[in-house]
Amino acid sequence: EVQLVESGGGLVQPGGSLRLSCAASGFTFSDHYMDWVRQAPGKGLEWVGRTRNKANSYTTEYAASVKGRFTISRDDSKNSLYLQMNSLKTEDTAVYYCARAHNGGRFDYWGQGTLVTVSS
Amino acid sequence: DIQMTQSPSSLSASVGDRVTITCQASQDISNYLNWYQQKPGKAPKLLIYDASNLETGVPSRFSGSGSGTDFTFTISSLQPEDIATYYCQQYDNLPRVFGPGTKVDIK
Repeated sequence: EVQLVESGGGLVQPGGSLRLSCAASGFTFSDHYMDWVRQAPGKGLEWVGRTRNKANSYTTEYAASVKGRFTISRDDSKNSLYLQMNSLKTEDTAVYYCARAHNGGRFDYWGQGTLVTVSS
Repeated sequence: DIQMTQSPSSLSASVGDRVTITCQASQDISNYLNWYQQKPGKAPKLLIYDASNLETGVPSRFSGSGSGTDFTFTISSLQPEDIATYYCQQYDNLPRVFGPGTKVDIK
């Protein structure tokens, strides 16, 4: 059974940093692109970014709203995905989901999400 | 970036009704379009991929159609458990963009 479990969310002050983790199981993690998607309270879904697989050199892509502040990485030996968030803003407050991108297209599995609150 | 619109933004329908949601892309995305269902407090769930393919395990009352810029999502017979917000999402290019969502509830 495919499982994605996020952790690391919490309350952080504006300008602060936080690192989210996503533990994957039930599939060959190293084969897949992995993405982060977020959802602000009461709002819609916003794509944050992705890391490609080893075959594609682990390259990353980011939404304009987070580029230069957020960094996505992965550790295939630990079946884990990470999101390092720096220079956090109040508008980064959201539930953050990790999602498996099947063939880089559809998000066929999602984690349960972890809430990040940026507030003073 | 590609922009995605959905209509209506919300709807109320009776159990057993046919429900239709439309999604429009700001440019041709071929069939690179997915549909997700999100229930309150839960993660999104993939229902339809490549515009018209039903994800494994998803009830057949859900369907999708369209290509290019105009897409349709249909629930053939609305059930109480279908109460949720539905999102379209393009994957023709990056950034991946979701539609604003359509909230469906029971009349």
